[in-house]
Order: sequence, then structure tokens, then C-alpha cells
Amino acid sequence: AQSVAQPEDQVNVAEGNPLTVKCTYSVSGNPYLFWYVQYPNRGLQFLLKYITGDNLVKGSYGFEAEFNKSQTSFHLKKPSALVSDSALYFCAVRDPNTNAGKSTFGDGTTLTVKP
Amino acid sequence: DAGITQSPRYKITETGRQVTLMCHQTWSHSYMFWYRQDLGHGLRLIYYSAAADITDKGEVSDGYVVSRSKTENFPLTLESATRSQTSVYFCASSAGTGPTDTQYFGPGTRLTVL
Repeated sequence: AQSVAQPEDQVNVAEGNPLTVKCTYSVSGNPYLFWYVQYPNRGLQFLLKYITGDNLVKGSYGFEAEFNKSQTSFHLKKPSALVSDSALYFCAVRDPNTNAGKSTFGDGTTLTVKP
Repeated sequence: DAGITQSPRYKITETGRQVTLMCHQTWSHSYMFWYRQDLGHGLRLIYYSAAADITDKGEVSDGYVVSRSKTENFPLTLESATRSQTSVYFCASSAGTGPTDTQYFGPGTRLTVL
């Protein structure tokens, strides 16, 4: 079975500071990992994904994520946070051995960026 | 360029009533999904569909029914609504049959069961 953990319900950072939103996963074999962002009263929007290759993945809006196989982590990062980055962030994992592309989502982390 | 839409966006109903949530996508994606989002639980898969007339249960399917007679539509029915089904429901779709394809989400339906 696949699972995802986002250990922090809330992350607060000051505008201009770097941000990290943590994600750890459990899956058999090599995982496919995703980050999504959700703004208030909106659906989830895809940010980035790791399938294979370079451990540092770059995505939308200046976000990047680092895949670490030994630590089974896929933390989301941004060098300089903006107030507009404030949103709910979800990490998701997909077991490559399943069909239908079923994903398991973490419980979400609320990011608040203060001016 | 509508993408993926859901209707209604907000719904209030009473315990025991049947409710149908609609999902429509304009991309001709093969795969479609229904999730519910509850505080502290993230998104949980209710049902998914690999193609028209092919559906399968997710992790929280009890009390829900789906159909997919056309590729673009994937309605979700609560046969007899319960208060525990108060939630925000998201529909999603993806293009390919492989596990690497990105899911695209609709705006959600906020359902309240009184």
C-alpha cells in the first residue's frame, strides 16, 4: 500500500525568506511523486512531479522539490516566498505498479507567508 | 476552453435524500476520479473510471454510486445522503493510461447534509 505524510499542518514564513513544505512517502518500488496547490474555494492545481532522473525538480511559480530516496522524502521548496504563495499544499504519491493512475494524497499543509 | 467543470458548486440537502453531483470534462481524457476532501483527511478517492462504462471503487466508496455512459461525464450519486457525507467533492481527470499522467481537478462541490 502507498502512503504519504505531511508532518506539518501549518508552515509560517516571512515574505522573502526561503520556504520548505515537508513530505515523506511509503511505496513499493520507485515512486511517482507530485505536489499540488489549492487556493481558497478552488480545485487543486498541479505544481510539479518527480518520475525519474534528476532529484531536483523545478515546477510552476518558482517552486522546486527535492527527491531523496534514502530518506523517502520529497520536500517542496522556494528560495524566496511571496505573500501570494499562501495556500494549501498537497503532496501525492502514485505507485507505478498500480493501474488507473490512482494517487494517495497527504493531509495537506497550510502555508502562510506574512508581509 | 472549459476544461473540467462541476455542478452544482454548492448544495444543501437533507438526510435520506438522493443527490447527484455532476462532472464534465472537455479534453476527452480517459480517466476520471472522484475525491472527497475533509479537514484532517486530505483527499480520499471515492471512485475512478478508466473509460466509458468502466468504473471501480476507491477507498471510501460506501454510500456512493457512479456511472460513465459518456467519456466526458462522470456523475456521482449519493443514494441516501448522511451527515457524514458533508464534504467538499472534487472531480479530476487525466489523459493517459500510464501512472505518470497528471490529474486535473475541477473547482469542487461543497455539499452539506442536514
